[in-house]
Amino acid sequence: ILNVEQSPQSLHVQEGDSTNFTCSFPSSNFYALHWYRWETAKSPEALFVMTLNGDEKKKGRISATLNTKEGYSYLYIKGSQPEDSATYLCAPLSGGYQKVTFGTGTKLQVIP
Amino acid sequence: KAGVTQTPRYLIKTRGQQVTLSCSPISGHRSVSWYQQTPGQGLQFLFEYFSETQRNKGNFPGRFSGRQFSNSRSEMNVSTLELGDSALYLCASGQGLGTEAFFGQGTRLTVV
Repeated sequence: ILNVEQSPQSLHVQEGDSTNFTCSFPSSNFYALHWYRWETAKSPEALFVMTLNGDEKKKGRISATLNTKEGYSYLYIKGSQPEDSATYLCAPLSGGYQKVTFGTGTKLQVIP
Repeated sequence: KAGVTQTPRYLIKTRGQQVTLSCSPISGHRSVSWYQQTPGQGLQFLFEYFSETQRNKGNFPGRFSGRQFSNSRSEMNVSTLELGDSALYLCASGQGLGTEAFFGQGTRLTVV
């Protein structure tokens, strides 16, 4: 079982603020890393699939970077909006056949 | 395009009983994964099926089993239910475990 840590556990920001979260994972035997957004009463929704060291992905105001050598990924949200309120999960995949382990998530609340 | 469908949405069972949950993936997706979410535990990977074969399994007891049919629909079975099996069970479909996963809305199982 991978040791996947996400920080912070929860976060309150004002509308318009930019914020970022961290996902740390063991760097050995890395295969890919997924980021998901999980809004209350909805299903988790994939944000990014990242595979290469140095990968940077962007979707609107949300972007992510990946460092596989040191075992971390950052998720950035620029100009947070109330609709960004959700739990953000990272899930690194590793091992011979890509065992997936989810972090416990960062719960973001954007205050209007 | 229809999304991932899980049935039933809610279920109440008695300790010692068994339960079967169903997941219909997005058309064309051959991979189906199952996850358990309990309070404070985050999403725990149960198993993944691809073209009717279990490719990967998480660290759950043998009471948890699954299967996938030729049309990619999958079922998950839990025998001899325990109170601790009360959880949200999510399934996700995709082209393969390393690719973007699309989640269903889950089945909320309560064991009394």
